[in-house]
Amino acid sequence: ELKVEQNPLFLSMQEGKNYTIYCNYSTTSDRLYWYRQDPGKSLESLFVLLSNGAVKQEGRLMASLDTKARLSTLHITAAVHDLSATYFCAVYSNFGNEKLTFGTGTRLTIIP
Amino acid sequence: GAGVSQTPSNKVTEKGKYVELRCDPISGHTALYWYRQSLGQGPEFLIYFQGTGAADDSGLPNDRFFAVRPEGSVSTLKIQRTERGDSAVYLCASSLGSGVWGYTFGSGTRLTVV
Repeated sequence: ELKVEQNPLFLSMQEGKNYTIYCNYSTTSDRLYWYRQDPGKSLESLFVLLSNGAVKQEGRLMASLDTKARLSTLHITAAVHDLSATYFCAVYSNFGNEKLTFGTGTRLTIIP
Repeated sequence: GAGVSQTPSNKVTEKGKYVELRCDPISGHTALYWYRQSLGQGPEFLIYFQGTGAADDSGLPNDRFFAVRPEGSVSTLKIQRTERGDSAVYLCASSLGSGVWGYTFGSGTRLTVV
């Protein structure tokens, strides 16, 4: 059974600082997704990572995928308040079914 | 439509009642998914449709839950004899083919069983 772990679960950081959220998963996969969720809202797609070594950047966020280590990172550069949200990674299993398995999420709070 | 539409946005029902939740996917998206998100948790997979057929229903928790997609577009998630533990946000997502280009989620239906 595919398991997905994120850490940290909670992160409070000051504006202007850098930090990284980690997503580890337990079985072979070469497709990983990052989503943002604001309170009471649905999931907003941030990145789709489709191969080992994939790196994508959008504004102050950068995501990478290492399929050998079964690890993805979401790096935040010079955080600003409007990045406060919960971030989820979701892993697509290579073993025939089509479902995504989500991590428990990282609740990020940016302090002015 | 422009996005994935879910109705109702909120539903309060009494324990034991029957509810239906509707999802209207993005036009042309052949794949449709239902997930359930409990408070403070990540979404959990319920069922996946490719066209009209349920290709994977392994996430449905028990036989009180059932979903249909009769014409390959709109889907309805049906819950019989609701229990308080069914309270959650039910999310629908759709994708073009196998999701290589990503999945688009709807805004969800918040179900509260009292």
